[in-house]
Amino acid sequence: AQKITQTQPGMFVQEKEAVTLDCTYDTSDPSYGLFWYKQPSSGEMIFLIYQGSYDQQNATEGRYSLNFQKARKSANLVISASQLGDSAMYFCATFPKDTGRRALTFGSGTRLQVQP
Amino acid sequence: DTAVSQTPKYLVTQMGNDKSIKCEQNLGHDTMYWYKQDSKKFLKIMFSYNNKELIINETVPNRFSPKSPDKAHLNLHINSLELGDSAVYFCASSQGYTYSNQPQHFGDGTRLSIL
Repeated sequence: AQKITQTQPGMFVQEKEAVTLDCTYDTSDPSYGLFWYKQPSSGEMIFLIYQGSYDQQNATEGRYSLNFQKARKSANLVISASQLGDSAMYFCATFPKDTGRRALTFGSGTRLQVQP
Repeated sequence: DTAVSQTPKYLVTQMGNDKSIKCEQNLGHDTMYWYKQDSKKFLKIMFSYNNKELIINETVPNRFSPKSPDKAHLNLHINSLELGDSAVYFCASSQGYTYSNQPQHFGDGTRLSIL
């Protein structure tokens, strides 16, 4: 079974500052993928970044980076130089690679508000 | 050139009615999904199809019946709608069921409201 925990229901950040959104996971799968999605107020789900459990390096995609600490089972999303358009819900999710339910298991999300 | 398209975007209907939501993807993916997002924004898998074969069927009332006529389409039919069915339903697709590094691409969602 898999479980994702996002302990921050809401976060505020000043424009141009960096922000870290927390995600911890619990999975019995030997290998798995970790994903972050953004959901703006318009409702669509936008893929941001992926980290594989055996990837040696932390994933980066533009202003997004993933602080992956496997021993701690955490996969925090770091957004650098926040922009007003980053205001949205952010979801962490996991997907098993080898066995089990091959669908995304999502956390409860963090609502990020970027202030000017 | 929308990758995953769902119709309708909004669906308002009376309790007890039957309705369908359609989903089409033009990404050439072999796996499609239905997720439900409740009023608290929690997303949960409902169904998953790989090459038209049902792979995941979560604990969903049998009033919900998915149908995949081909790899590019996955429709969701709901019978005897209940108040608790009000939610946003997302269709998604991905390539390679056995390779989890491929992100799932989501449609824009269908907001279902039961009166």
